[in-house]
Amino acid sequence: EVQLVESGGGLVQPGGSLRLSCAASGFTFSKYWMHWVRQGPGQGLVWVSRINSDGSSTNYADSVKGRFTISRDNAKKSLYLQMNSLRAEDTAVYYCTRDLWGDIIDYWGQGTLVTVSS
Amino acid sequence: EIVMTQSPDTLSVSLGERATLSCRASQSVSSNLAWYQHKPGQAPRLLIYGASTRATGIPARFSGSGSGTEFTLTISSLQSEDFVVYYCQQYNNWPRTFGQGTKVEIK
Repeated sequence: EVQLVESGGGLVQPGGSLRLSCAASGFTFSKYWMHWVRQGPGQGLVWVSRINSDGSSTNYADSVKGRFTISRDNAKKSLYLQMNSLRAEDTAVYYCTRDLWGDIIDYWGQGTLVTVSS
Repeated sequence: EIVMTQSPDTLSVSLGERATLSCRASQSVSSNLAWYQHKPGQAPRLLIYGASTRATGIPARFSGSGSGTEFTLTISSLQSEDFVVYYCQQYNNWPRTFGQGTKVEIK
């Protein structure tokens, strides 16, 4: 059974940093591209970032480019999102997701809540 | 950026009835359109991709249609577990974008 379990969310002050982690199991992690998607309070889903299977290629939404860094450790079957210079508008539930192919997301984690507030 | 607009925002339907949800793209996305189901507090679930292909394990009562800029998700006979939120997503252009969601509620 495919499982994606996020961790690392919490309350952080504006300008602060946070690192999200996602532990994957139930599939060959190293073969799949992965994404982070977020959902702000009362808002819809927003794609944040993606990384290819070996970690050599990454993409970001304009709203997080230069502040967020996606990475992965295939040996540990883990996906990460380093978030720096956090803003109030980054407050959201962050989902770790698996790419079926071509940016179709076939599995989602339960999400981890990030709250940016003073 | 392609804007995905779903309608209606909320759809009131009776148990066992048909539900038709719409998704419109601000420019053509060909057939590169997916639908997701999201129950509060749970992980979203992929229902449809390629505009009309059901994902693994998705019941036949869910069907998708359309291409270009107009898409439809149809739930043929609503079950109690179907009264949740549905999102469309285009994966034709960067950045990938989602609709704002349609909530299906019991009438």
